[in-house]
Amino acid sequence: GDSVTQTEGLVTLTEGLPVMLNCTYQSTYSPFLFWYVQHLNEAPKLLLKSFTDNKRPEHQGFHATLHKSSSSFHLQKSSAQLSDSALYYCAWKDTGNTGKLIFGLGTTLQVQP
Amino acid sequence: EAAVTQSPRNKVTVTGGNVTLSCRQTNSHNYMYWYRQDTGHGLRLIHYSYGAGNLQIGDVPDGYKATRTTQEDFFLLLELASPSQTSLYFCASSGGLSNERLFFGHGTKLSVL
Repeated sequence: GDSVTQTEGLVTLTEGLPVMLNCTYQSTYSPFLFWYVQHLNEAPKLLLKSFTDNKRPEHQGFHATLHKSSSSFHLQKSSAQLSDSALYYCAWKDTGNTGKLIFGLGTTLQVQP
Repeated sequence: EAAVTQSPRNKVTVTGGNVTLSCRQTNSHNYMYWYRQDTGHGLRLIHYSYGAGNLQIGDVPDGYKATRTTQEDFFLLLELASPSQTSLYFCASSGGLSNERLFFGHGTKLSVL
């Protein structure tokens, strides 16, 4: 069935190093993909969303590229900051307009000094 | 910024108890969602709705009922609460277009003893 997969539960890295969080999807249709971020004791909020015209979304130094050939939407940043420590969710929404939004299991990013 | 308000923020009940979680959005959004968040399981969709009187079943609906009384108000009902329903519950709303973001409430922490 339709799903989104995040393979890493926890990613720990040192400040200044590049970040890549993996997200792959399985879908009957071409979906919309999103990245949500949740800081400690806060609600999730949108970080990035895919576009239909192959533009690469960017926000707060993060970017992600939708690759339909590999069914992926990996989140990347060139240099991690301590404030990037948070829980990151990849999410999938079908284009059939059912309104259903499915989240992956989430990846916790811990950035150390 | 769109507003989604959940109440109560914290709730403790006993096994077999009756609990109602409330959510109100003032965004004029069509879609509203109830998710539960548990470590190791991410955000899981319980029920959602695309308008007053409408209800759609999510991925983990067992033990939960929901009702959308108005465009603004969406309720989650646990009529015979069990310890397995101890969780952090998030309500969210969106306009409904496929690439529209979700706006989350701050969550309700429910403990079933």
